[in-house]
Amino acid sequence: DAKTTQPNSMESNEEEPVHLPCNHSTISGTDYIHWYRQLPSQGPEYVIHGLTSNVNNRMASLAIAEDRKSSTLILHRATLRDAAVYYCILRATGNQFYFGTGTSLTVIP
Amino acid sequence: GAGVSQSPRYKVAKRGQDVALRCDPISGHVSLFWYQQALGQGPEFLTYFQNEAQLDKSGLPSDRFFAERPEGSVSTLKIQRTQQEDSAVYLCASSPGTGGKNEQFFGPGTRLTVL
Repeated sequence: DAKTTQPNSMESNEEEPVHLPCNHSTISGTDYIHWYRQLPSQGPEYVIHGLTSNVNNRMASLAIAEDRKSSTLILHRATLRDAAVYYCILRATGNQFYFGTGTSLTVIP
Repeated sequence: GAGVSQSPRYKVAKRGQDVALRCDPISGHVSLFWYQQALGQGPEFLTYFQNEAQLDKSGLPSDRFFAERPEGSVSTLKIQRTQQEDSAVYLCASSPGTGGKNEQFFGPGTRLTVL
């Protein structure tokens, strides 16, 4: 199963954009790229997903490299409520999500 | 609309006791997943159900762990003869479909502490 690589931690100032990178060099053609985040003492929460094209929703944007070997989650204006662990996950038509250790985002007021 | 619920939220067990953790998925969701999350780690897959069928149990760490979803709705994760290394948060998630594009909806988790 394809795995992902993310920085352990990142910091951002409040109200500034945040770019969270993810490398997935062994991605296959059928793997969707999912992003989830987990706030302290809560279950993970869906953020966004995509296959080949860039995606936007009310929470974030997902930029996918042309070769699909990397992607970037973009939070356009970080707020204190965005402080969480962000997980980049690949999923084909299978049963398992491999979360890894994610990126812990700190938002500085 | 109700999300995924789990009960109990917290469970303390003495080593050797059996425990049962319950998951109520979103109504109509076909897929149901169980994960184990140790402190400071990401969730790790345990098992997967499609309706009532347990299609993947490759993540269950030992034969002390057993999961069921007899009517394709509520699921129970049972741990027999609990050990200290079983202490973790157990997360349940449901999904409306089976394909890779379907998002998972997670419950709040059950924090199990084995003394």
